[in-house]
Amino acid sequence: DAGVTQSPTHLIKTRGQQVTLRCSPISGHKSVSWYQQVLGQGPQFIFQYYEKEERGRGNFPDRFSARQFPNYSSELNVNALLLGDSALYLCASRTGTSTDTQYFGPGTRLTVL
Amino acid sequence: AQSVTQLDSHVSVSEGTPVLLRCNYSSSYSPSLFWYVQHPNKGLQLLLKYTSAATLVKGINGFEAEFKKSETSFHLTKPSAHMSDAAEYFCVVSDRGSSNTGKLIFGQGTTLQVKP
Repeated sequence: DAGVTQSPTHLIKTRGQQVTLRCSPISGHKSVSWYQQVLGQGPQFIFQYYEKEERGRGNFPDRFSARQFPNYSSELNVNALLLGDSALYLCASRTGTSTDTQYFGPGTRLTVL
Repeated sequence: AQSVTQLDSHVSVSEGTPVLLRCNYSSSYSPSLFWYVQHPNKGLQLLLKYTSAATLVKGINGFEAEFKKSETSFHLTKPSAHMSDAAEYFCVVSDRGSSNTGKLIFGQGTTLQVKP
């Protein structure tokens, strides 16, 4: 079975622009989470979605938003990009319960100039 | 609130010698703990997980970790390092607080260098 997939692999934007990142979970997984990993740090939780509903949100500004589709894929949107948004954005999926293991995709590297 | 502290930001070992990566956790609940590995320009791969079963957890690639409640530790070990083990390692606790989102809380990471 395919693992978690993310697109695009790399992205370069300028300050003030908007970006959309995409994630497809492992088949059968209904929960998707997003994490931001700034260079040299551990990933930070942004959102969790389960059955198309937001189930958790980390300490990120309202410029960050996400949604989950009926096929359980997900998009992360970031508006009004700042230089500090440059990071690796990771998507993780799991079957749905809070104690399940999360499986990560390869990430999208966002560079904001 | 849950948290993890990785006690070493960088560990250097020679190939064939033991590996010890240290992690302490803080949790108000019975924790779920994980170790993930990240190779350069790659995503995160699960090495092993502890979810209140056996305190000694065996993972992939010869790694194992021991959950010690009295010491609030979850150190990662491997008897003999291989060059391919060079990577960033993250100790992780699952948030099982009132929100019960199951979000993962990561440590700052330990860079493992393996010298030939």
